[in-house]
Amino acid sequence: KQEVTQIPAALSVPEGENLVLNCSFTDSAIYNLQWFRQDPGKGLTSLLLIQSSQREQTSGRLNASLDKSSGRSTLYIAASQPGDSATYLCAPPANQAGTALIFGKGTTLSVSS
Amino acid sequence: KAGVTQTPRYLIKTRGQQVTLSCSPISGHRSVSWYQQTPGQGLQFLFEYFSETQRNKGNFPGRFSGRQFSNSRSEMNVSTLELGDSALYLCASSLGQGMSGYTFGSGTRLTVV
Repeated sequence: KQEVTQIPAALSVPEGENLVLNCSFTDSAIYNLQWFRQDPGKGLTSLLLIQSSQREQTSGRLNASLDKSSGRSTLYIAASQPGDSATYLCAPPANQAGTALIFGKGTTLSVSS
Repeated sequence: KAGVTQTPRYLIKTRGQQVTLSCSPISGHRSVSWYQQTPGQGLQFLFEYFSETQRNKGNFPGRFSGRQFSNSRSEMNVSTLELGDSALYLCASSLGQGMSGYTFGSGTRLTVV
């Protein structure tokens, strides 16, 4: 059964810092892993989708890596801004068919100006 | 291109009533999945439909049901509402293949009083 752990649970940083959010999962037989952002009371916004054949995926100031063998993914945010304040969720599939996502509790990020 | 549309955005229902939520996926997406988000349990998978067939189901009681229509639109129904059903219900659409990512709607906020 897929289980996801995200560390840290919360993070508070000043504007401009580079930061790393960690995600670990128990079932490494996955095709991909997706990172999402959620603002309070809102839906999920997809940030990055990493296929198992890729080691990294980049979008702007965001970079995500995937290491299936160790069951870990990392989201790197460069030069953080107050607008990055949100909860970040990683979600590997629950099974090889990829018909459901399993979510961690997320990392709540607060960036102060 | 239009995103995932969920209606209504907010609902207030009384214990014992039933409720139906609607989700229109991205055009061309054949898979629709539903998630429940609560402060205590986080994001939990309810069920997934692909081409009008339920492909996967989470660990929820039979009061939670869904269906998908030929145009890929999906509805979720909760009967005999309980206070604990108060949550943000999120719908996600995808192409339905194991390697494709998910796009989420803004959610329906259900409050049971």
